[in-house]
Amino acid sequence: DQQVKQNSPSLSVQEGRISILNCDYTNSMFDYFLWYKKYPAEGPTFLISISSIKDKNEDGRFTVFLNKSAKHLSLHIVPSQPGDSAVYFCAASALGGSQGNLIFGKGTKLSVKP
Amino acid sequence: DADVTQTPRNRITKTGKRIMLECSQTKGHDRMYWYRQDPGLGLRLIYYSFDVKDINKGEISDGYSVSRQAQAKFSLSLESAIPNQTALYFCATSDPRLAGGRTDTQYFGPGTRLTVL
Repeated sequence: DQQVKQNSPSLSVQEGRISILNCDYTNSMFDYFLWYKKYPAEGPTFLISISSIKDKNEDGRFTVFLNKSAKHLSLHIVPSQPGDSAVYFCAASALGGSQGNLIFGKGTKLSVKP
Repeated sequence: DADVTQTPRNRITKTGKRIMLECSQTKGHDRMYWYRQDPGLGLRLIYYSFDVKDINKGEISDGYSVSRQAQAKFSLSLESAIPNQTALYFCATSDPRLAGGRTDTQYFGPGTRLTVL
């Protein structure tokens, strides 16, 4: 059973508008959440993270929101740029992150059209 | 130069062959990981190593083995490859000293595309 779910395989957005990528999780032991971005023929790169003690974390154009009661997080990209076109993976970890196990969602492919 | 390198980048092999995928890093991180990604699926952890003498199985270790030859090198072996091991394989590193003991922020290599015929 999937513990981290990204239910939208793809998302298309116009340049300059907001992109919202969603992620749901089922394991209440998760205490840290991350977003990774992946371009074709490259490995995933860390984008932004959030601890379960917070409900929002912002880094430039990227903001992650966490709703613990709904077991839901979202990544907002404002404004979206064509260079943001990539696959975005949501990931979660538990046990204080000491075990090294990241649980990934299946990814959402974002296309930002000029 | 890339901090995490993987060789080969692409490999086609036949069922039953022994394959080794190699990962090297210059980041000085103690912790290293091997993941596989299948089409339409997320990354799944195969093995991870906290240091040269500490190796642990991940979610999907069956059919795989690893060797941590040095802090900077972590190899993944398929002793007898089978077609359902066709996938993208990623190596990653992390350093808990950078994040208060957490190892979540992992740095990935470019991946190896393995095809088993």
